[in-house]
Amino acid sequence: DTAVSQTPKYLVTQMGNDKSIKCEQNLGHDTMYWYKQDSKKFLKIMFSYNNKELIINETVPNRFSPKSPDKAHLNLHINSLELGDSAVYFCASSPRLAGNFAREQFFGPGTRLTVL
Amino acid sequence: AQSVAQPEDQVNVAEGNPLTVKCTYSVSGNPYLFWYVQYPNRGLQFLLKYITGDNLVKGSYGFEAEFNKSQTSFHLKKPSALVSDSALYFCAVRGTTDSWGKLQFGAGTQVVVTP
Repeated sequence: DTAVSQTPKYLVTQMGNDKSIKCEQNLGHDTMYWYKQDSKKFLKIMFSYNNKELIINETVPNRFSPKSPDKAHLNLHINSLELGDSAVYFCASSPRLAGNFAREQFFGPGTRLTVL
Repeated sequence: AQSVAQPEDQVNVAEGNPLTVKCTYSVSGNPYLFWYVQYPNRGLQFLLKYITGDNLVKGSYGFEAEFNKSQTSFHLKKPSALVSDSALYFCAVRGTTDSWGKLQFGAGTQVVVTP
């Protein structure tokens, strides 16, 4: 009955590899997000999708590519992984956002990515 | 541009004492303000939010926050802290003029409650 789930929970990989993180929400929300939390716990938004449409695309290297096959899923694919990509990545979702900025976000448990 | 400042990296408080975690913000237009809590190795959990109306907002786990427009602050409070309140607390703001409501988080404040 997990609301926002992410897989895998931990990901250890070598520099240069390509990896994906999956996110699913069963809350019926229209909007989903990817955040990056660095080693100092700073939390920064990377992308947001509303009903499968990209609405927020922060200054993120184009090695990062989000994909939303349907509004319940938002996956994050990372090409050519670098040491600096090591972080915890959080997926989140919120109810329909357009015209209503008051909705809180529901976060997944996070994926800890370690690039060696 | 919107921003959030949490001036304290860490707050230490004895169990049973009042807890305050400070937050100030800068945003275009009126703010929507949120507090989240992160326990170790977990995702963020929503605590409370201010949208409009009463400046004192009550949330989960006995927490409350007071919106002060003149001081652009939204401090989180709990009258009597528990050891289980030890966690990382994030303040966040969203401006009403941002068309897609991007949420800006503060740097977080680590709360340590000692028995």
